[in-house]
Amino acid sequence: AQTVTQSQPEMSVQEAETVTLSCTYDTSESDYYLFWYKQPPSRQMILVIRQEAYKQQNATENRFSVNFQKAAKSFSLKISDSQLGDAAMYFCAYRSATSGTYKYIFGTGTRLKVLA
Amino acid sequence: EPEVTQTPSHQVTQMGQEVILRCVPISNHLYFYWYRQILGQKVEFLVSFYNNEISEKSEIFDDQFSVERPDGSNFTLKIRSTKLEDSAMYFCASSEAAGGYGYTFGSGTRLTVV
Repeated sequence: AQTVTQSQPEMSVQEAETVTLSCTYDTSESDYYLFWYKQPPSRQMILVIRQEAYKQQNATENRFSVNFQKAAKSFSLKISDSQLGDAAMYFCAYRSATSGTYKYIFGTGTRLKVLA
Repeated sequence: EPEVTQTPSHQVTQMGQEVILRCVPISNHLYFYWYRQILGQKVEFLVSFYNNEISEKSEIFDDQFSVERPDGSNFTLKIRSTKLEDSAMYFCASSEAAGGYGYTFGSGTRLTVV
């Protein structure tokens, strides 16, 4: 069975600085998707960024980028120029690309605090 | 931007009572999901639904749980006889396709069983 591990329960970053959130996963599959979701205090989970395992190029979305290391099964999220609005819980998630399964497997989350 | 809407935002119920959590997915989405998050713990998959039937469910989703899309717009989760351990945040989500494009989540319903 696949697992997702986020080893940092909480991280802090100074406003305008850069922070990296870690995520590792375990799978025997070769084709899958990885996601980072943000859950602000308003509770709704918002997709931040996604990565397809067959793509070697790391995904980027504005200030958010990932470092996807398939062999190491690592998928870290880098937030550049951190803003107060980035403060939230961040969840890493895995989804198999196997037909017939749709579920996400989430990590336990990392709470990011942004200091003014 | 289209949203997934969940009602109510908070529900308190007596142990043993039935509850129905309601969701309105994005109108052109075809795949629907329920997840739950017990306070301080990870988000867990409950069930996925496509073409008016359950396509996948977890071991959590036992006979006490059921889902329904009664009218083509709402997507409901029913818990027949609630237990204290059902207290959690329940999230509905929908997606346009089965591929890895990501879901749109609702804001959740906090269920408190007393």
